[in-house]
Amino acid sequence: NAGVTQTPKFQVLKTGQSMTLQCAQDMNHNSMYWYRQDPGMGLRLIYYSASEGTTDKGEVPNGYNVSRLNKREFSLRLESAAPSQTSVYFCASSHGQNQETQYFGPGTRLLVL
Amino acid sequence: GENVEQHPSTLSVQEGDSAVIKCTYSDSASNYFPWYKQELGKGPQLIIDIRSNVGEKKDQRIAVTLNKTAKHFSLHITETQPEDSAVYFCAASSGAGSYQLTFGKGTKLSVIP
Repeated sequence: NAGVTQTPKFQVLKTGQSMTLQCAQDMNHNSMYWYRQDPGMGLRLIYYSASEGTTDKGEVPNGYNVSRLNKREFSLRLESAAPSQTSVYFCASSHGQNQETQYFGPGTRLLVL
Repeated sequence: GENVEQHPSTLSVQEGDSAVIKCTYSDSASNYFPWYKQELGKGPQLIIDIRSNVGEKKDQRIAVTLNKTAKHFSLHITETQPEDSAVYFCAASSGAGSYQLTFGKGTKLSVIP
């Protein structure tokens, strides 16, 4: 089992460019999450998908969109990147009910110039 | 919403000594409290968690205590080793129907050989 995988590992964008961060899990989990991590800020939830076909906003959703493509895959899209979106992005998954362990991917480092 | 405060932000201990990290939470409905360890360049990994019907949980050198009345929980690492050096995050979940973990801002632990 690979667990949670993310692509790309690192990306540099210019302001205004768009990109999609990909996430996949092979643990047959129902729920998936996108977080961003900034220095001194901990992990903040951007969007989550409680189950296939549903998505909901987290704490910091502005400037992002998500797609739950199927049970395995959950993508995060930046339509018009801004320097404030420079961050490390983590995808996570869990079995699906509340209180369940979230398993994290290795992260995508994004630099917006 | 939930607010999680974590202290200290940095902690240095001598190898073999104990380390304690403390977190407080604001939402009395929170009932799941995981702790994650994040090594440099990697995603967070769950090391231990506790649910609100339990006051203490141990796993080898790691223990977590929960005081629901005071709304705080702590991570205790005994006999610290250099490989314990990492950033540790506490988190809280509000349970039933909630898929959101609210994270503390992290504690950078350095174990000095």
